[in-house]
Amino acid sequence: SQTIHQWPATLVQPVGSPLSLECTVEGTSNPNLYWYRQAAGRGLQLLFYSVGIGQISSEVPQNLSASRPQDRQFILSSKKLLLSDSGFYLCAWTPRGDQPQHFGDGTRLSIL
Amino acid sequence: AQSVTQPDIHITVSEGASLELRCNYSYGATPYLFWYVQSPGQGLQLLLKYFSGDTLVQGIKGFEAEFKRSQSSFNLRKPSVHWSDAAEYFCAVGAGYGGATNKLIFGTGTLLAVQP
Repeated sequence: SQTIHQWPATLVQPVGSPLSLECTVEGTSNPNLYWYRQAAGRGLQLLFYSVGIGQISSEVPQNLSASRPQDRQFILSSKKLLLSDSGFYLCAWTPRGDQPQHFGDGTRLSIL
Repeated sequence: AQSVTQPDIHITVSEGASLELRCNYSYGATPYLFWYVQSPGQGLQLLLKYFSGDTLVQGIKGFEAEFKRSQSSFNLRKPSVHWSDAAEYFCAVGAGYGGATNKLIFGTGTLLAVQP
């Protein structure tokens, strides 16, 4: 069966520091991958999605970037974190075709 | 543009009572619709999905939802709520389905509290 892993689960970072969040999917190949951010009291905002290695689409302009160095690995990065980057970050995957997305357990990011 | 509205931010029901969570969507074509549930500090779990066919869909944990095209709604129901159902519920519409993107547009969620 397929599983999705995100780490770390919790992260506290100072303003201006770099960021790297990792997401991996097991048990499938060539998935579509997604990064979402969830702010308190708000829904999920799609940040990036990827349909293949090296293929990244950005949904909103921001301080973050994403990369997909391997088929089942999706990384969310920042060179310098802002206070507004705080939130709950969720990775999701879906196989090709008309299938629902499946989510990881998320990373709680707090910026001090 | 596609959008999803969940008009109830917070709902409180008694254990054993029935539940209906509202969801309205805006989408130009036949929508793909989903309900997800999120427990505190956790990721989202898929409850059910509607792609086509029977407008009443059954999901996990005893939930069901009914697609009503004329009302652009996809309300979630459960006949008898359990304390473990306390969580946040998200409705979503597939904005890029049928292609390689499969993007979802989410509502802002409804937080369900269950009283003993």
